[in-house]
Amino acid sequence: NAGVTQTPKFQVLKTGQSMTLQCAQDMNHEYMSWYRQDPGMGLRLIHYSVGAGITDQGEVPNGYNVSRSTTEDFPLRLLSAAPSQTSVYFCASSPSWTALNTEAFFGQGTRLTVV
Amino acid sequence: AQSVTQLDSHVSVSEGTPVLLRCNYSSSYSPSLFWYVQHPNKGLQLLLKYTSAATLVKGINGFEAEFKKSETSFHLTKPSAHMSDAAEYFCGTLYSSASKIIFGSGTRLSIRP
Repeated sequence: NAGVTQTPKFQVLKTGQSMTLQCAQDMNHEYMSWYRQDPGMGLRLIHYSVGAGITDQGEVPNGYNVSRSTTEDFPLRLLSAAPSQTSVYFCASSPSWTALNTEAFFGQGTRLTVV
Repeated sequence: AQSVTQLDSHVSVSEGTPVLLRCNYSSSYSPSLFWYVQHPNKGLQLLLKYTSAATLVKGINGFEAEFKKSETSFHLTKPSAHMSDAAEYFCGTLYSSASKIIFGSGTRLSIRP
């Protein structure tokens, strides 16, 4: 039972490079989301999806793209990396946000450094 | 708009003494509230959640939190701290009208021997 799997765990990028952070869940969850974690800022929501084919912006979406072609996968794309995107990125999934008694399951995180 | 505020960025207690991590929420109706814990270099793990049932919620590892509507608070407590409790703790709320969960800025808990 893998839960939420993020790859890679660590990545160093040069400014201007692009890359995709992968997130996959095997729990058939409707809801998936991406957060970034920065010191003193807590967790900030980047993008989220309430189901396959549906995505929406969170608090800090600029510089990131997402798509949700399947229930299982929710990749996060950095189109042109900037040093301000140096952060730890977490993917989370949840059965549904329409029910009150739900919770988010988190991946182990991807530590990204942009130089 | 719903939000949560964690009042302390860092709390330090001695092993065996009580722990209090403070969280205030802002919501126009009864919220869903969560506490998550993050150990160093790990993902987040759910400690406990409030969903308008009992106001005193018991979680894992001896933690509990009390929902106080009059004070708009959802503080996390533990009677006796253990060295393994050293971690970062996040309070969160479900912003159900927008289908998203919002977290506070986190509280780092240190335990002194």
